[in-house]
Amino acid sequence: GNSVTQMEGPVTLSEEAFLTINCTYTATGYPSLFWYVQYPGEGLQLLLKATKADDKGSNKGFEATYRKETTSFHLEKGSVQVSDSAVYFCALSDRGRDDKIIFGKGTRLHILP
Amino acid sequence: DAGVIQSPRHEVTEMGQEVTLRCKPISGHNSLFWYRQTMMRGLELLIYFNNNVPIDDSGMPEDRFSAKMPNASFSTLKIQPSEPRDSAVYFCASRPRRGGNYGYTFGSGTRLTVV
Repeated sequence: GNSVTQMEGPVTLSEEAFLTINCTYTATGYPSLFWYVQYPGEGLQLLLKATKADDKGSNKGFEATYRKETTSFHLEKGSVQVSDSAVYFCALSDRGRDDKIIFGKGTRLHILP
Repeated sequence: DAGVIQSPRHEVTEMGQEVTLRCKPISGHNSLFWYRQTMMRGLELLIYFNNNVPIDDSGMPEDRFSAKMPNASFSTLKIQPSEPRDSAVYFCASRPRRGGNYGYTFGSGTRLTVV
Protein backbone atom coordinates (compact mmCIF):
# COMPACT_ATOMS: atom_id res chain seq x y z
CA GLY A 1 0.00 0.00 0.00
CA ASN A 2 0.88 3.66 -0.13
CA SER A 3 3.09 5.08 2.61
CA VAL A 4 5.22 8.07 3.53
CA THR A 5 8.45 8.03 5.52
CA GLN A 6 9.97 11.20 6.86
CA MET A 7 12.95 11.89 9.06
CA GLU A 8 12.35 11.70 12.76
CA GLY A 9 12.73 14.78 14.84
CA PRO A 10 13.13 16.90 16.62
CA VAL A 11 15.33 18.93 14.33
CA THR A 12 17.00 21.89 16.04
CA LEU A 13 18.63 24.65 14.01
CA SER A 14 19.84 28.18 14.57
CA GLU A 15 18.10 31.07 12.90
CA GLU A 16 19.22 31.65 9.28
CA ALA A 17 20.44 28.05 8.92
CA PHE A 18 19.59 25.91 5.88
CA LEU A 19 16.81 23.40 6.41
CA THR A 20 16.23 20.02 4.83
CA ILE A 21 13.56 17.59 6.00
CA ASN A 22 13.71 14.32 4.12
CA CYS A 23 10.62 12.55 2.83
CA THR A 24 10.32 9.41 0.72
CA TYR A 25 7.19 7.67 -0.42
CA THR A 26 5.87 4.36 -1.67
CA ALA A 27 2.94 4.41 -4.06
CA THR A 28 1.49 2.10 -6.67
CA GLY A 29 0.49 4.88 -9.05
CA TYR A 30 1.44 8.49 -9.63
CA PRO A 31 0.48 10.32 -6.48
CA SER A 32 0.24 14.00 -5.66
CA LEU A 33 2.63 15.05 -2.90
CA PHE A 34 2.11 17.58 -0.13
CA TRP A 35 3.82 19.25 2.79
CA TYR A 36 1.65 20.40 5.67
CA VAL A 37 2.70 22.49 8.68
CA GLN A 38 1.17 22.49 12.14
CA TYR A 39 1.87 25.38 14.50
CA PRO A 40 1.29 24.88 18.24
CA GLY A 41 -2.38 24.67 19.13
CA GLU A 42 -3.54 24.76 15.52
CA GLY A 43 -4.67 22.40 12.81
CA LEU A 44 -2.56 21.37 9.85
CA GLN A 45 -2.12 23.89 7.04
CA LEU A 46 -1.19 23.08 3.48
CA LEU A 47 2.29 24.49 2.88
CA LEU A 48 2.95 23.37 -0.70
CA LYS A 49 2.16 20.63 -3.15
CA ALA A 50 3.33 19.04 -6.40
CA THR A 51 1.15 16.93 -8.65
CA LYS A 52 3.56 15.40 -11.15
CA ALA A 53 7.19 14.37 -11.53
CA ASP A 54 9.75 17.22 -11.58
CA ASP A 55 7.20 19.73 -10.33
CA LYS A 56 8.48 22.09 -7.66
CA GLY A 57 6.10 23.32 -5.00
CA SER A 58 6.99 26.49 -3.15
CA ASN A 59 5.53 28.77 -0.50
CA LYS A 60 6.85 31.13 2.21
CA GLY A 61 10.45 30.40 1.19
CA PHE A 62 9.98 26.63 1.42
CA GLU A 63 10.50 24.41 -1.62
CA ALA A 64 10.14 20.73 -2.48
CA THR A 65 10.68 18.94 -5.79
CA TYR A 66 8.79 15.82 -6.83
CA ARG A 67 11.51 13.27 -7.65
CA LYS A 68 9.99 10.17 -9.19
CA GLU A 69 13.33 8.42 -9.75
CA THR A 70 14.18 8.56 -6.05
CA THR A 71 10.55 8.61 -4.81
CA SER A 72 11.36 11.64 -2.70
CA PHE A 73 9.87 15.04 -1.85
CA HIS A 74 12.37 16.69 0.48
CA LEU A 75 11.44 20.02 2.07
CA GLU A 76 14.05 22.80 1.97
CA LYS A 77 14.41 26.39 3.08
CA GLY A 78 17.48 28.52 2.62
CA SER A 79 17.24 30.58 5.82
CA VAL A 80 14.92 29.56 8.63
CA GLN A 81 13.32 31.89 11.15
CA VAL A 82 12.16 31.35 14.71
CA SER A 83 8.60 31.59 13.42
CA ASP A 84 9.18 28.44 11.34
CA SER A 85 9.20 26.34 14.51
CA ALA A 86 6.40 23.84 14.00
CA VAL A 87 5.68 20.23 13.06
CA TYR A 88 5.98 19.41 9.34
CA PHE A 89 4.09 16.54 7.70
CA CYS A 90 4.86 15.00 4.34
CA ALA A 91 1.84 13.44 2.64
CA LEU A 92 0.65 11.83 -0.56
CA SER A 93 -2.65 11.29 -2.27
CA ASP A 94 -3.27 8.67 -4.91
CA ARG A 95 -5.39 9.60 -7.90
CA GLY A 96 -7.25 6.37 -8.10
CA ARG A 97 -10.32 5.29 -6.23
CA ASP A 98 -8.55 5.42 -2.86
CA ASP A 99 -7.69 9.12 -2.99
CA LYS A 100 -7.48 9.95 0.68
CA ILE A 101 -4.28 11.64 1.86
CA ILE A 102 -1.69 9.49 3.65
CA PHE A 103 0.39 11.46 6.17
CA GLY A 104 3.87 10.81 7.51
CA LYS A 105 4.47 10.86 11.25
CA GLY A 106 5.64 14.46 11.29
CA THR A 107 8.96 16.15 12.02
CA ARG A 108 9.18 18.68 14.83
CA LEU A 109 11.39 21.66 14.00
CA HIS A 110 12.88 23.98 16.64
CA ILE A 111 14.59 27.17 15.53
CA LEU A 112 16.82 28.87 18.08
CA PRO A 113 17.28 32.67 17.99
CA ASP B 1 -14.50 32.23 3.91
CA ALA B 2 -14.49 31.20 7.56
CA GLY B 3 -12.65 27.96 6.95
CA VAL B 4 -13.51 24.66 8.63
CA ILE B 5 -15.22 25.37 11.94
CA GLN B 6 -15.07 22.94 14.83
CA SER B 7 -16.76 23.11 18.19
CA PRO B 8 -16.10 23.02 21.01
CA ARG B 9 -12.40 23.94 21.08
CA HIS B 10 -11.94 22.19 24.40
CA GLU B 11 -14.02 19.52 26.08
CA VAL B 12 -13.45 17.96 29.48
CA THR B 13 -15.76 15.13 30.43
CA GLU B 14 -15.96 12.28 32.87
CA MET B 15 -15.47 8.69 31.86
CA GLY B 16 -18.71 7.11 30.72
CA GLN B 17 -20.27 10.32 29.46
CA GLU B 18 -21.36 10.92 25.89
CA VAL B 19 -19.28 13.40 23.90
CA THR B 20 -20.32 15.04 20.63
CA LEU B 21 -17.87 16.93 18.46
CA ARG B 22 -19.11 19.16 15.67
CA CYS B 23 -17.75 20.28 12.34
CA LYS B 24 -18.86 22.70 9.65
CA PRO B 25 -16.88 22.22 6.42
CA ILE B 26 -16.09 24.92 3.92
CA SER B 27 -19.11 25.71 1.81
CA GLY B 28 -18.98 23.83 -1.48
CA HIS B 29 -16.51 21.21 -0.28
CA ASN B 30 -17.80 17.71 -1.01
CA SER B 31 -15.44 15.59 1.11
CA LEU B 32 -15.10 15.64 4.90
CA PHE B 33 -12.58 13.84 7.10
CA TRP B 34 -12.30 13.18 10.83
CA TYR B 35 -8.83 12.68 12.31
CA ARG B 36 -7.51 11.98 15.79
CA GLN B 37 -4.06 13.13 16.91
CA THR B 38 -2.13 11.88 19.93
CA MET B 39 1.54 11.91 20.86
CA MET B 40 1.69 8.12 20.84
CA ARG B 41 -0.13 7.33 17.59
CA GLY B 42 0.25 10.56 15.63
CA LEU B 43 -2.45 11.52 13.14
CA GLU B 44 -5.07 8.82 12.49
CA LEU B 45 -7.87 8.97 9.93
CA LEU B 46 -11.10 7.86 11.60
CA ILE B 47 -13.69 8.24 8.84
CA TYR B 48 -14.36 10.18 5.70
CA PHE B 49 -17.46 11.21 3.79
CA ASN B 50 -18.03 12.15 0.20
CA ASN B 51 -21.28 13.94 -0.69
CA ASN B 52 -22.50 13.18 2.85
CA VAL B 53 -22.01 9.42 2.41
CA PRO B 54 -19.45 7.54 4.54
CA ILE B 55 -16.78 6.15 2.21
CA ASP B 56 -14.26 4.63 4.61
CA ASP B 57 -14.81 4.12 8.34
CA SER B 58 -12.09 1.52 8.82
CA GLY B 59 -10.23 3.85 11.18
CA MET B 60 -13.04 4.14 13.69
CA PRO B 61 -11.54 2.46 16.74
CA GLU B 62 -14.61 0.67 18.05
CA ASP B 63 -18.38 0.74 18.31
CA ARG B 64 -18.26 3.50 20.88
CA PHE B 65 -17.42 5.89 18.04
CA SER B 66 -19.98 6.99 15.48
CA ALA B 67 -20.06 9.77 12.89
CA LYS B 68 -22.84 11.33 10.87
CA MET B 69 -23.14 13.88 8.12
CA PRO B 70 -26.83 14.74 7.81
CA ASN B 71 -26.20 17.48 5.26
CA ALA B 72 -23.40 19.12 3.32
CA SER B 73 -22.72 21.73 5.98
CA PHE B 74 -22.57 19.73 9.19
CA SER B 75 -21.00 16.61 10.66
CA THR B 76 -20.75 15.12 14.13
CA LEU B 77 -18.43 12.64 15.78
CA LYS B 78 -19.90 10.99 18.84
CA ILE B 79 -18.21 8.91 21.52
CA GLN B 80 -20.49 6.96 23.83
CA PRO B 81 -19.39 6.02 26.43
CA SER B 82 -16.15 7.96 26.59
CA GLU B 83 -12.98 6.52 28.12
CA PRO B 84 -9.72 8.16 29.27
CA ARG B 85 -7.85 6.63 26.30
CA ASP B 86 -10.07 8.69 23.99
CA SER B 87 -8.28 11.83 25.17
CA ALA B 88 -6.79 13.44 22.06
CA VAL B 89 -7.15 16.32 19.66
CA TYR B 90 -9.83 15.62 17.06
CA PHE B 91 -9.57 17.39 13.72
CA CYS B 92 -12.07 17.80 10.97
CA ALA B 93 -10.92 18.58 7.42
CA SER B 94 -12.68 19.19 4.13
CA ARG B 95 -11.71 19.03 0.47
CA PRO B 96 -13.38 20.55 -2.61
CA ARG B 97 -14.07 17.18 -4.26
CA ARG B 98 -12.60 13.74 -4.74
CA GLY B 99 -9.31 13.57 -6.57
CA GLY B 100 -5.69 13.31 -5.57
CA ASN B 101 -4.75 16.84 -6.59
CA TYR B 102 -6.74 18.53 -3.87
CA GLY B 103 -5.32 19.23 -0.46
CA TYR B 104 -7.39 19.32 2.70
CA THR B 105 -8.32 22.35 4.79
CA PHE B 106 -8.21 21.53 8.50
CA GLY B 107 -10.16 23.01 11.36
CA SER B 108 -8.47 24.14 14.56
CA GLY B 109 -9.41 20.94 16.37
CA THR B 110 -11.22 19.92 19.53
CA ARG B 111 -9.01 18.98 22.46
CA LEU B 112 -10.86 16.24 24.35
CA THR B 113 -9.89 15.25 27.87
CA VAL B 114 -11.69 12.33 29.49
CA VAL B 115 -11.07 12.05 33.22
